[in-house]
Amino acid sequence: EPEVTQTPSHQVTQMGQEVILRCVPISNHLYFYWYRQILGQKVEFLVSFYNNEISEKSEIFDDQFSVERPDGSNFTLKIRSTKLEDSAMYFCASSGGLNEKLFFGSGTQLSVL
Amino acid sequence: GEDVEQSLFLSVREGDSSVINCTYTDSSSTYLYWYKQEPGAGLQLLTYIFSNMDMKQDQRLTVLLNKKDKHLSLRIADTQTGDSAIYFCADVNQAGTALIFGKGTTLSVSS
Repeated sequence: EPEVTQTPSHQVTQMGQEVILRCVPISNHLYFYWYRQILGQKVEFLVSFYNNEISEKSEIFDDQFSVERPDGSNFTLKIRSTKLEDSAMYFCASSGGLNEKLFFGSGTQLSVL
Repeated sequence: GEDVEQSLFLSVREGDSSVINCTYTDSSSTYLYWYKQEPGAGLQLLTYIFSNMDMKQDQRLTVLLNKKDKHLSLRIADTQTGDSAIYFCADVNQAGTALIFGKGTTLSVSS
């Protein structure tokens, strides 16, 4: 069964450093998403991406965050200058269409020290 | 704003039925979802229900939807230790562009 893959599974970084989280969505999907889950809290929507541009973003997704689809297969989330409060599990997801089922990757656990 | 609420913990014995409940504030979405998260793993789509249905049966899983009360439940029959996980209820925001998750219910199954 096709799946969304994310790398790395764990990322440790120093505060103020840039990180890039990588995702390979399911190949024929058109909509791509990033969600995050701070320990003990809800899974929160960050951003959705369609047709090579952001279609929606939440309040969390400020100027420190950016997304990119650098080629036909990868979808990345960049955090320019990480803060302690960015520590969370980051999930990538994709779907075949708007309001269709989302398939999630296994997540990247980001720890900012 | 839109919100999804779930109870945080449920403990059952192997072989019993588990019922996980969820309430949502508003839904104009086509689907409502249940996701499962096992330790160290991602969010696995477990099942979903169309918003115009009251019930969906899928092997050991039964989803009940009460649109009037904005209540969604997931029943797992003959619960097994392998069902131990966190279960997330999810709705779709009004724009249809993002999922809104509950905090998740941790299901603990003892033998």
